[in-house]
Amino acid sequence: ETGVTQSPTHLIKTRGQQVTLRCSSQSGHNTVSWYQQALGQGPQFIFQYYREEENGRGNFPPRFSGLQFPNYSSELNVNALELDDSALYLCASSLGAAGAGAKNIQYFGAGTRLSVL
Amino acid sequence: DAKTTQPNSMESNEEEPVHLPCNHSTISGTDYIHWYRQLPSQGPEYVIHGLTSNVNNRMASLAIAEDRKSSTLILHRATLRDAAVYYCILRDSGAGSYQLTFGKGTKLSVIP
Repeated sequence: ETGVTQSPTHLIKTRGQQVTLRCSSQSGHNTVSWYQQALGQGPQFIFQYYREEENGRGNFPPRFSGLQFPNYSSELNVNALELDDSALYLCASSLGAAGAGAKNIQYFGAGTRLSVL
Repeated sequence: DAKTTQPNSMESNEEEPVHLPCNHSTISGTDYIHWYRQLPSQGPEYVIHGLTSNVNNRMASLAIAEDRKSSTLILHRATLRDAAVYYCILRDSGAGSYQLTFGKGTKLSVIP
């Protein structure tokens, strides 16, 4: 059973650019959630995808968008990068959907460290 | 989701038991209590969860107060590998409870 993998591990961009981060789910998982973790803080929920549809969104602007593919891998896209977007971006996969979430365990990747200069 | 309160940091000696507290005085009857931990330079890792009864697994034990307003994560013998930030999270079993809402957690240091 393969775990959650994210690419790239590190990325440096300049303000105003666009970035795409990638996530491969754990085998058999159909749900992917993305989180942003600023230095010294806990992860903050960005959005979740279930069976290729967005299934919930946190308090992030529309320039944060995503996709989930038929194989349940996922992308996080961020447009018009700002300095405050510098953070660790975490992907988590799980099996289930909204409403089944209370017992649902999420499995995290090691994250992508994004630096915006 | 209801809020949780945890100490910012704790220390433990290696091979000693560790009790990590979490207060959740506004917990509802349908909230599950989850614990995750995050080792340095890694993503969070699931530890344990429970609803009303105490729970044990290979990683830890979860002791839940009778009124459910607090809980304690117990690591029976701390190792250096247990040094991490531990997050106590409540998850509502109602519809739409799909995300994890992290606080700042407790940073556990293990002293050799």
